[in-house]
Amino acid sequence: GAVVSQHPSRVICKSGTSVKIECRSLDFQATTMFWYRQFPKKSLMLMATSNEGSKATYEQGVEKDKFLINHASLTLSTLTVTSAHPEDSSFYICSARDPRQGGVETQYFGPGTRLLVL
Amino acid sequence: AQSVTQLDSHVSVSEGTPVLLRCNYSSSYSPSLFWYVQHPNKGLQLLLKYTSAATLVKGINGFEAEFKKSETSFHLTKPSAHMSDAAEYFCVVSFTGGGNKLTFGTGTQLKVEL
Repeated sequence: GAVVSQHPSRVICKSGTSVKIECRSLDFQATTMFWYRQFPKKSLMLMATSNEGSKATYEQGVEKDKFLINHASLTLSTLTVTSAHPEDSSFYICSARDPRQGGVETQYFGPGTRLLVL
Repeated sequence: AQSVTQLDSHVSVSEGTPVLLRCNYSSSYSPSLFWYVQHPNKGLQLLLKYTSAATLVKGINGFEAEFKKSETSFHLTKPSAHMSDAAEYFCVVSFTGGGNKLTFGTGTQLKVEL
């Protein structure tokens, strides 16, 4: 299947700083990528849909000024957590749709980024 | 609106015995349904997907699931559990009219004992 990578795999930062997480589709071009947040023992919550060349679409309740998304190329989307606070500590996962798949477009997930804000 | 209910948060089986992970869905449109598996410290991996073709779907690692419209169910089964099957399993629904957004169930933790 298609491969999606994330970097870094884990990051620790001080409260008030900003953290950038990268999501790359390695063997296909993804016009659309998705960012999820997963709390411990909980399901994945869609945060936003990242569209190449245009503004991201945020889900209700997600602060767009807090979670900045940039999808500057067909293989890279970035999520920047601005002025991070301890409550932003979580597991962030990205996914990308492979347009080469016929029929229903399956999402392929990155391995996730563990963020800890001290 | 669409939603997914995974009826069991934890399932424990003995190695070599059958696995049944239950999933019921709600969707106003013809849904696409998926099962994903998440091993510790690893990314979500697609096990199988239903996309309105055959109702019995075979996936990787011996897993399969049957789409039953009358019961709005998409239960995941495997005839014989292996230790390596221990992981978190997510039932997921999407529909074309919803921009292909995925709605995740709350997950089922599968434990496999010797």
